[in-house]
Order: sequence, then C-alpha cells, then structure tokens
Amino acid sequence: AQKVTQAQTEISVVEKEDVTLDCVYETRDTTYYLFWYKQPPSGELVFLIRRNSFDEQNEISGRYSWNFQKSTSSFNFTITASQVVDSAVYFCALSEAWRDDKIIFGKGTRLHILP
Amino acid sequence: NAGVMQNPRHLVRRRGQEARLRCSPMKGHSHVYWYRQLPEEGLKFMVYLQKENIIDESGMPKERFSAEFPKEGPSILRIQQVVRGDSAAYFCASSPQTVEQYFGPGTRLTVT
Repeated sequence: AQKVTQAQTEISVVEKEDVTLDCVYETRDTTYYLFWYKQPPSGELVFLIRRNSFDEQNEISGRYSWNFQKSTSSFNFTITASQVVDSAVYFCALSEAWRDDKIIFGKGTRLHILP
Repeated sequence: NAGVMQNPRHLVRRRGQEARLRCSPMKGHSHVYWYRQLPEEGLKFMVYLQKENIIDESGMPKERFSAEFPKEGPSILRIQQVVRGDSAAYFCASSPQTVEQYFGPGTRLTVT
C-alpha cells in the first residue's frame, strides 16, 4: 500500500532560522514520483518540486533544498534562512506510475515563521 | 495559456441541496483529477477522468457523489443532498499524458 507520513504536525521557528520538514513514504512500486506542495493561508496549492524514483540527486532551489534518500524512504525539505512568507502548510506527496498517476498526499506540516 | 479554472471559488449550500463544482482543465489537457481536502487534512484523491470516461473512482463516496467530464465543456463534480460532512475544499487537477498535474485554486464548499 502507498502511504506518505509527515510526522511533524506543526513547527514554529524564528525568522532566519533553518527548518527541515520530514517526509517518509511507503510504496511497493519501483517507479514513483515524489512531490512537495505549499499551501499558503490563501488556500491554493503551489507546486514546489517533483522528483522521480530514479533520481536521488539532491536539489537546491534558492533557499529551498530537498534530500531524497531511497534507503530510508525519505524525501525531506529544508528551508534555509526562513522568512515570514514561508509560513504555510507544506504537503509531501507520492504518485505511483502504474496507478494512473493519482497523487497520495501526507497530512501536511503547518509551518509558522515568527518575526 | 490559462491555468486550471474552478468555479465557483466559494459555494454555500444548505443541507439537502445539491452542489455542482466545475473544473476547466488547461488547454490540451484531457485528464482530470478531483481531490477533497477536509479541514486540517491533506488532499484525498476522489476520481480520475478522461474525456467521457471515468478511469478510477476508487476515492469517491459510493452515494450522492458523481463526476463527469463530457466531450465538450468542463468537468463537473456533483454532490447530491449535501450534509455538513461534505464541507471541504475540492481541488481539481489536469494533466496532459504525463505525470504532471496542475492544480486549480479549489472550490470551498460550506454546508450550513
């Protein structure tokens, strides 16, 4: 069965601190995709990244970085030098290629960046 | 190229009424997915449609909910005889024949 676990329900950090959001996934498939989405207070879903299971290279995009570790089935997300605008709910998600690409979401981590 | 459009953005219905949620996919996209987000929860898959076909409705409640994606026009998610528990945000996503799904802004349904 496929599953995404975000153990951190809520995190608060002071602005400029670094913060890591954890994500652990379960899948039997060898071909799958992992995602991170941001949901700001306005409610829309903002796509951040997609990573396929064959590409374990870590990725950096500005202040955002992602650490994909197949050995531990984890896909963690780090925000460096956090800003108040980073306050949002962040969802990790999984899609298995043979399951018509439907996306399985974790329950989300609510991130508060305190000024 | 306009993004995925959903309307209405906010919908209020009394218990027992019907709710119709519309989703216009991005131009050229023939795959549509509906997801539901209950308060304080992640999104849950409901149904996957291609033009005139339901491909996977494993996440759809068996009663009162239906979805369609006609040859012409938007995809419709229909909820009959709404109950308070149907209050949620309903997101539509569309994709071309790849794994990329583009999400709409969502429709927030409130049942009073």
